[in-house]
Amino acid sequence: GNSVTQMEGPVTLSEEAFLTINCTYTATGYPSLFWYVQYPGEGLQLLLKATKADDKGSNKGFEATYRKETTSFHLEKGSVQVSDSAVYFCALSGRDTGRRALTFGSGTRLQVQP
Amino acid sequence: GAGVSQSPRYKVAKRGQDVALRCDPISGHVSLFWYQQALGQGPEFLTYFQNEAQLDKSGLPSDRFFAERPEGSVSTLKIQRTQQEDSAVYLCASSLGSAGDTGELFFGEGSRLTVL
Repeated sequence: GNSVTQMEGPVTLSEEAFLTINCTYTATGYPSLFWYVQYPGEGLQLLLKATKADDKGSNKGFEATYRKETTSFHLEKGSVQVSDSAVYFCALSGRDTGRRALTFGSGTRLQVQP
Repeated sequence: GAGVSQSPRYKVAKRGQDVALRCDPISGHVSLFWYQQALGQGPEFLTYFQNEAQLDKSGLPSDRFFAERPEGSVSTLKIQRTQQEDSAVYLCASSLGSAGDTGELFFGEGSRLTVL
């Protein structure tokens, strides 16, 4: 079945540091890949997505590239801010299986210190 | 409101009680999903509706869990004879079309269930 593996947190960085959160997946067919973010006290919201191999999703300074050869979708940001402190979830959608639902990783908590 | 609304936000139940959790999706959204999120874990799929039709209930952990969306808008997740392992945050999400195509789900803030 489909699965997503994320690096464990928490990840603690100083403001303006470079961020990488690793995500790898297992899926049949050609899934779409997503990063969702959950800020404190709020619901999950879509951060970025990529729907085919070599696509790069980007939003709010965050980027992730769909790497089919390594089955990865690592999240990166060049310079984090305190306001980026949140929990980040990698997810996939197995369209080829007909399954409409997203499969999520366990989440990675990011703490950015001033 | 403009977003997905869930109620109650917090629910404490004694073991063996029945609970009902409500989800008001964004108006006009066709797809509705329920997820269960244990502490420190990612959301786990429970069930999916397209309008009033429940197309996938493969994630429901037991026959004590039941969901409905009778008029294709508001949905209710019911848990009968609650057990301690049911303690979790229950998330509702909706999307305009089929989320499998775009992945853009809009989530509510969740209902936190604690079973004593």
